[in-house]
Order: sequence, then structure tokens, then C-alpha cells
Amino acid sequence: KAGVTQTPRYLIKTRGQQVTLSCSPISGHRSVSWYQQTPGQGLQFLFEYFSETQRNKGNFPGRFSGRQFSNSRSEMNVSTLELGDSALYLCASSSTGDSVDTQYFGPGTRLTVL
Amino acid sequence: AQSVTQLGSHVSVSEGALVLLRCNYSSSVPPYLFWYVQYPNQGLQLLLKYTTGATLVKGINGFEAEFKKSETSFHLTKPSAHMSDAAEYFCAVSDSGNTGKLIFGQGTTLQVKP
Repeated sequence: KAGVTQTPRYLIKTRGQQVTLSCSPISGHRSVSWYQQTPGQGLQFLFEYFSETQRNKGNFPGRFSGRQFSNSRSEMNVSTLELGDSALYLCASSSTGDSVDTQYFGPGTRLTVL
Repeated sequence: AQSVTQLGSHVSVSEGALVLLRCNYSSSVPPYLFWYVQYPNQGLQLLLKYTTGATLVKGINGFEAEFKKSETSFHLTKPSAHMSDAAEYFCAVSDSGNTGKLIFGQGTTLQVKP
């Protein structure tokens, strides 16, 4: 099976712009979660989608949003980018999204905001 | 609320020496615990996980971890370090309830000296 894929791998944007990141989960997986990784804050949970519904949300401003499509692919959007949004954005998928399930991570999208 | 503390942001060992990475957790419910490894410019790879049953869990690449409820610990060990083990290691606990959300520790960077 192919692993979790994320596109693009690298992205450079300027302050005030918006960006959309894409994640394709492992085939058959219905849960997709997003994390932000920065040197200062570490790995922080953004949100989780299951069967096209947001099931859980982290403590991020409303500029961060996401969605999931019927084929379980997910996108996250960040509007009005700030310098502090520079980070590695990781997507993870699991088959049922149950807390005992293993989360499989993609390689991440490195976002740089100038 | 669940939380994870990793003691030591940097650990340095000689090749062939014992690797010990420390993780303590706080959880209001029986925890599901995970160790992930991250190599530079890559996503997270699962090393091992504890759900229920045997408290000594064996993972990939010769790593193992022991769940100790009385000490609220889940330390990661490997008898003999290899140069290829140099990476960042994350301990995580599943959030309670029906969710894929993981709560991560701050990470420990393992350096292996020749």
C-alpha cells in the first residue's frame, strides 16, 4: 500500500497570502489529522476529520481550516498568513480514527512565510 | 487532560552503548502510548505502541519500551546504539475518547557518537 502523501512538499508564501495544503491518506483510511510542527512549540494538533466531518479541533485561530472529501483526501487552508505560521505541517491517517489506532504520518509540507 | 513529558531534549551516546529515552505521561484514563521517530526532513514513523496486555512492548529496529503504571512512565530503550539511530524521538499519548488525536512530548534528539 502506498503511504500518506502530502503536496506540495515545500512552499514559500508572503505575509497576508493564503495557502492550501493537500493530504492523501492510506487507501481505506477514513480518519485524517493535521499537526503543526515548529522548533518552539513542537508538535501541535490542528484538527481531525472522519468521514468528511471535523471530529476534533485544536487550539488554533480560525485562519486555520480544513475539509475532507468523500475519498478521504483532506486539505487544510491557512488564510492571512503570518510569519509565525512558518512550520512543517504533518498529516496523519488511520483506519478508524479510534484512539487505539496507529496514526501513519506523511512526509510533511514545509511552509515558509516571508 | 492527557500530557506527556520527555526528560532531556538531547541525549548523546556512543555507538554500541545503551539508549534510554525517558517519557512520563499524565492521563485520566488508561493510556494508549506511542513512540515515534523522525529523521531529518521526514515525517514520523511509528516505533512501537502500548495499548493493553503485556507491559514490555517490542518495536522496530531493536527498540522496546516498558509501560509502568505505578511510575506513569513509558521509557524507550535499545541495548546497543547504531549510528543510524540518530534522529528525533517523540513519545505520545492518545487523547481520551473516540479520536485519532495524539498529544506529543517535546521530543528528544538522540546523537550517536562513533
